[in-house]
Order: sequence, then C-alpha cells, then structure tokens
Amino acid sequence: GAGVSQSPSNKVTEKGKDVELRCDPISGHTALYWYRQSLGQGLEFLIYFQGNSAPDKSGLPSDRFSAERTGGSVSTLTIQRTQQEDSAVYLCASSFRGSYGYTFGSGTRLTVV
Amino acid sequence: AQKVTQAQTEISVVEKEDVTLDCVYETRDTTYYLFWYKQPPSGELVFLIRRNSFDEQNEISGRYSWNFQKSTSSFNFTITASQVVDSAVYFCALSGNDYKLSFGAGTTVTVRA
Repeated sequence: GAGVSQSPSNKVTEKGKDVELRCDPISGHTALYWYRQSLGQGLEFLIYFQGNSAPDKSGLPSDRFSAERTGGSVSTLTIQRTQQEDSAVYLCASSFRGSYGYTFGSGTRLTVV
Repeated sequence: AQKVTQAQTEISVVEKEDVTLDCVYETRDTTYYLFWYKQPPSGELVFLIRRNSFDEQNEISGRYSWNFQKSTSSFNFTITASQVVDSAVYFCALSGNDYKLSFGAGTTVTVRA
C-alpha cells in the first residue's frame, strides 16, 4: 500500500481481555517496528522485525505482550490479560532495511476500562 | 545504550517568530542516523528530516533548517517564520547499528496567532 496501515484505529476493551492490533507495512519494506506512546509521553520501543531474522523483543514490557509477523509482511501485536496501564497509542512503523527512513502508521488507540 | 535528550518541554511563540528545538544525543556507534519527526494534534508522526553521522552539512529546506554538530553531539532544528500550523510535538530520534529508533521525550511547540 501507499502507507503503513493499522487497525483498528480505536479499541476499547475490558480489563483482563486479550486484544490484537494489526499492522500492514509498506510493500517491500523489510523492517517493521512497534512503538507505544502513553498519554503525553514519548515513544517507547516494543519490538523490531527485520526480514527473516529473529525479532528483537527487548522492549516488550511483560510476557503478556507478543508479536508476530507473517510472511514478512503483516504483523499482529497481541496483549493478553490487558491492564489499565496498557492504555496507550500503539504505533507501527516500517522501513526499507532499517535506517533508510521510517514511515509510521496512524496508530491504534487502546483504552482498557 | 543510545539516548536522546530534548531539554525543552514546551515552547510558545507568536506567529512569524523563529523557533529552535534542541536535541542532544549519546551513542557509541560510529555510524548512526538522526531524525526529526512532527506529531500534530491529529496524532500521526510525520517525518521531517534525516541526517547520517558522516554528513555534517547543514541545510535549509523551506522554513526548516538544522544544525548538526558532531563535536557537541547536537542536532538542533529551526522553524523560521513560524505559523499556527507548525503547532505540534516535535521529536528528535536516533538510530544506530541496531536500526531501532530511540526517541527524545518531545518538545511541544505552540504558535499563537
């Protein structure tokens, strides 16, 4: 596609439920990133996929968070047993071979009630 | 570890004034990339500029200019003749050998008419 697409744009969920956030990167981009932005805060790195290499999961805040990338394209970020502190905007970005420029999606605003 | 510091939390100016945003970074990588992103109230992250560590040439692009000084690890960004539409949060970011973007905390710019 022309840009990075994320769905849903907004998600309200009850505490304890699982949620899945989807990211569709720019076609041909080999690198895909997930970031989290809490209200009024900067961006926090979560996970990074590069081609067929093992993902860098060093930013995932707990084992309730996981992500996968199927076929080197679409990625899904899953949060299990959501907590109120998980409320944030989750941003996905893709890039051609890393530092050549990162394009961000519009994000998914997650609210845990 | 990489670190990006934006010491200015908020800047408020009157339209047509110039605005300079400070950014200081830390990295052990010899090759790295520096970025400025804009996040308007709508929430999407908009790429503004990218510079690699071997290119200290400072440039002007329209009303934007930047000053990259490796000796002081600074990558400052200036908006000349600010406009109300420039009101946004501006993030400085760094990526090194690991291709992960490390963001500063952001500077909120408010341009008053």
